[in-house]
Amino acid sequence: GQQLNQSPQSMFIQEGEDVSMNCTSSSIFNTWLWYKQDPGEGPVLLIALYKAGELTSNGRLTAQFGITRKDSFLNISASIPSDVGIYFCAGRVTDNFNKFYFGSGTKLNVKP
Amino acid sequence: NAGVMQNPRHLVRRRGQEARLRCSPMKGHSHVYWYRQLPEEGLKFMVYLQKENIIDESGMPKERFSAEFPKEGPSILRIQQVVRGDSAAYFCASSPGGRAHDEQYFGPGTRLTVT
Repeated sequence: GQQLNQSPQSMFIQEGEDVSMNCTSSSIFNTWLWYKQDPGEGPVLLIALYKAGELTSNGRLTAQFGITRKDSFLNISASIPSDVGIYFCAGRVTDNFNKFYFGSGTKLNVKP
Repeated sequence: NAGVMQNPRHLVRRRGQEARLRCSPMKGHSHVYWYRQLPEEGLKFMVYLQKENIIDESGMPKERFSAEFPKEGPSILRIQQVVRGDSAAYFCASSPGGRAHDEQYFGPGTRLTVT
């Protein structure tokens, strides 16, 4: 199956700091999605990327679709306590139109 | 537009009983995916369905687990003769399908506890 590596596994940061996490795959993807999951809830879609090199923002969040189409990163600027949660990347391969593959998640902890 | 709905949110079953988890996709979505998540772990793909068809069940155990998405009504994930190891959160996601740009939207999950 597809290998999707997400790093780091967890992060402990101070409120106000910027955060960066990334995902790499062994295959070329045509879509990258980033989700946030709060405890006891389902993942919520944050950003969707469809084109190599695409850079998309959603408030303090910015994500990029790598030009090799095998990676993506998510940045969070000026973190706040409510950013705490688990962030997942997901990608869709070009030869399997609708199946998505998920990273193992980055657990973010923000100290006030 | 209502989001993906799952019920029940919590389900307790004794070993050997059957568990039925329901998922109603977003309006206009014809593709449904089921995932399983253990505490502190990521999402494990189980099965991908379109209306009346199973497209990919490569992540679903061959025994005791089955899924369906009938023409009318919600998608059902069924676990027969549950064991303690089946305790997990089960998430359903839906997408419109059939588009070059497609996104999955998740429901709130069903937390299954097997006692």
